[in-house]
Amino acid sequence: AQKITQTQPGMFVQEKEAVTLDCTYDTSDPSYGLFWYKQPSSGEMIFLIYQGSYDQQNATEGRYSLNFQKARKSANLVISASQLGDSAMYFCAIPKTGGTSYGKLTFGQGTILTVHP
Amino acid sequence: NAGVTQTPKFQVLKTGQSMTLQCAQDMNHEYMSWYRQDPGMGLRLIHYSVGAGITDQGEVPNGYNVSRSTTEDFPLRLLSAAPSQTSVYFCASRKGAYNEQFFGPGTRLTVL
Repeated sequence: AQKITQTQPGMFVQEKEAVTLDCTYDTSDPSYGLFWYKQPSSGEMIFLIYQGSYDQQNATEGRYSLNFQKARKSANLVISASQLGDSAMYFCAIPKTGGTSYGKLTFGQGTILTVHP
Repeated sequence: NAGVTQTPKFQVLKTGQSMTLQCAQDMNHEYMSWYRQDPGMGLRLIHYSVGAGITDQGEVPNGYNVSRSTTEDFPLRLLSAAPSQTSVYFCASRKGAYNEQFFGPGTRLTVL
């Protein structure tokens, strides 16, 4: 069965500094991807970034980048130049792309990020 | 495009009542899912569908039923509400396994 783990319940960062949010996964699918979402206190889910397992370069979207290390089965989110508006809950998620349960998208437990001024 | 819509936004039920949470998407997405999120917690998958007529159970399916008769709609039925089902429910859809998932605004359900 697939498993996705976020080991940091909470993280704190100073405004304008970079922060790394950890995500490790376990999957038997030969091809897969990793998503990151943000959930501010207002409750909506906001897509941030995606990378597929066969992508050669780490994905970047503005201040967000994915540090994908397949050998370690980790796909950490790096937020550069943190802003107060980055304070939110962050989730990583992995889809089931083969075999039974094809189509499931499983989320990690989440990390609450607090940006201090 | 309206995206993913959910109704109602808020609902209060008494223990034992049944109800249906509605979910619709206008993006012609094949994949649709229902999640519940308890306070301070992550998203737990209740049921999901990879196309009309195809549904499967997620991590926490007990007490919930789904059906997918059309591509657009994916209602979630609570058979006999229990206080443990008090939660925020999110419906979501995506085009395929590797595609971004779009979420509805959520339904806040309280069971007394």
